[in-house]
Amino acid sequence: DVKVTQSSRYLVKRTGEKVFLECVQDMDHENMFWYRQDPGLGLRLIYFSYDVKMKEKGDIPEGYSVSREKKERFSLILESASTNQTSMYLCASSLGDRDRHEQYFGPGTRLTVT
Amino acid sequence: DAKTTQPPSMDCAEGRAANLPCNHSTISGNEYVYWYRQIHSQGPQYIIHGLKNNETNEMASLIITEDRKSSTLILPHATLRDTAVYYCIVRTNTGNQFYFGTGTSLTVIP
Repeated sequence: DVKVTQSSRYLVKRTGEKVFLECVQDMDHENMFWYRQDPGLGLRLIYFSYDVKMKEKGDIPEGYSVSREKKERFSLILESASTNQTSMYLCASSLGDRDRHEQYFGPGTRLTVT
Repeated sequence: DAKTTQPPSMDCAEGRAANLPCNHSTISGNEYVYWYRQIHSQGPQYIIHGLKNNETNEMASLIITEDRKSSTLILPHATLRDTAVYYCIVRTNTGNQFYFGTGTSLTVIP
């Protein structure tokens, strides 16, 4: 079974803090993704990565950065957390094969910025 | 990117078939239709996907109209554990990006 794990299920941070959200997948997937999920807005893509050290902006990259130094790990960084970044953050991974694109999701991290 | 339209909510009686519709009238010829679901407090779970033909797996069936402008996900015998938000997604043909809308909240009633 594909397993995608996220470092924390719940996190509380203060405004202005630097926040790291970690995601690890164990299936040697090329692609990894970070989404945020807010009520009434569905899932929105923040950043994704096709390969180690590669990254692409999604729909809402402002206020975020990412790092992918190893194939299995994809980190989302909030350089200076703000209250409007309070959200559920979901990580996903998928194979690079264009005919098999199902994404496998982690359990999510619920971040509260106070 | 093709976008999708789904009803915000639906109910289904336990044991009956649940038919979840999705409109994707701007889909292009090489874009796939994917279905995911999200049970409360969990990450989304892949269900099924298709291009032109109908598809079936152990979880569900996917019916795509001939013009590909709409599709229906069928859960043949809904159980209480199928209560979730169901997302219909069209995959872009320029990469791996998915567009998740707000989905359909399915409630299976005992």
